[in-house]
Amino acid sequence: GENVEQHPSTLSVQEGDSAVIKCTYSDSASNYFPWYKQELGKRPQLIIDIRSNVGEKKDQRIAVTLNKTAKHFSLHITETQPEDSAVYFCAASTDSGYALNFGKGTSLLVTP
Amino acid sequence: DSGVTQTPKHLITATGQRVTLRCSPRSGDLSVYWYQQSLDQGLQFLIQYYNGEERAKGNILERFSAQQFPDLHSELNLSSLELGDSALYFCASSDGANTGELFFGEGSRLTVL
Repeated sequence: GENVEQHPSTLSVQEGDSAVIKCTYSDSASNYFPWYKQELGKRPQLIIDIRSNVGEKKDQRIAVTLNKTAKHFSLHITETQPEDSAVYFCAASTDSGYALNFGKGTSLLVTP
Repeated sequence: DSGVTQTPKHLITATGQRVTLRCSPRSGDLSVYWYQQSLDQGLQFLIQYYNGEERAKGNILERFSAQQFPDLHSELNLSSLELGDSALYFCASSDGANTGELFFGEGSRLTVL
């Protein structure tokens, strides 16, 4: 089955700096790559996703890039704010509507 | 509020016991997913149902079982509980089509003593 590796496991940045989280996947058939944010004590929520026919997608301060050849994708957060502090999970699946295989998460701390 | 309802929110039980976790998906969603979240393992996929039928199975133990009923709610049954089963169990739902987004419930926290 699909194996998703995520790095780093923890990341600490100063407010205003950028944060980058990287993931690799094993199944070349995977074509849907979402990112979820989980605040402390809360449920995971989708923040952005990308499909294999697109190399990059942006939504305000968040962007995701995908390299299908290398089987890796990354989350970029610019101008970080304290409210960006959370655990971020990458995931992959062979199609939307099918089960997501999640990475182990990155705990991001943004210090004022 | 995601529209996904999970009960109970908290559950404390003893080793060897059996518990049932319940999930009501968002109105109109046909797919239900169960995930286990423990501190060191992230979100582990257990099982997916689509319109009453099992669609995909992940790392679900034989002691665990699930089903989705005609009204689309789902139950996750955990039996012969062990200390290591203590975790947060999330249910998520989706429309099973091309939108892709999973809507998670608030989770059921299981503590096995």
